[in-house]
Amino acid sequence: DTGVSQNPRHKITKRGQNVTFRCDPISEHNRLYWYRQTLGQGPEFLTYFQNEAQLEKSRLLSDRFSAERPKGSFSTLEIQRTEQGDSAMYLCASSLPPVGGQGGHGNEKLFFGSGTQLSVL
Amino acid sequence: AQKVTQAQTEISVVEKEDVTLDCVYETRDTTYYLFWYKQPPSGELVFLIRRNSFDEQNEISGRYSWNFQKSTSSFNFTITASQVVDSAVYFCALSEVSGGYQKVTFGIGTKLQVIP
Repeated sequence: DTGVSQNPRHKITKRGQNVTFRCDPISEHNRLYWYRQTLGQGPEFLTYFQNEAQLEKSRLLSDRFSAERPKGSFSTLEIQRTEQGDSAMYLCASSLPPVGGQGGHGNEKLFFGSGTQLSVL
Repeated sequence: AQKVTQAQTEISVVEKEDVTLDCVYETRDTTYYLFWYKQPPSGELVFLIRRNSFDEQNEISGRYSWNFQKSTSSFNFTITASQVVDSAVYFCALSEVSGGYQKVTFGIGTKLQVIP
């Protein structure tokens, strides 16, 4: 059984360049989350997918950020015109819906990938 | 708004000592969930435990135990007889349902170093 997979593990880019990260969740998980973690901080929520639908976006997600999950399986997170402030660890997590249906009950266990460490020079 | 406070940013203990990681939370919801996650140097957060707001029973799992006290809004985590493999960053998290999905707020984490 494979866990959540993220690629690449590390990305170094120059300011102004575009970058794209990929997340492959656990296959039977229909919920997918992107988080951002900066040094010395906890993960901060960026966006959420249920199957292919992007149902929630944080105010942290500026117009330069876009996420997709085209077939309800893997997801990509793209950052356009990167800035030095975008340097962070980008974490992907997936989960099953809670027992009893698709409604959010708040108790889902999140399975995280190892993250993509982005450094913008 | 939700808030999770982990006042201890770094703790060092000698192997075999017991250590308690503190977590204090704030929420206006009556139904919520609390979690602890472990982040080893590899970076992948690993789920340790969840507790719902209606269940104040303490829990023990091997060397790990959790003390949930609603009266003080605390959910503390104790490691008994610590081992070097316990060295990691530990995150306390609070979850509520918002718009049909799980909105999780993490604390800033406590970095635990267990010295052999």
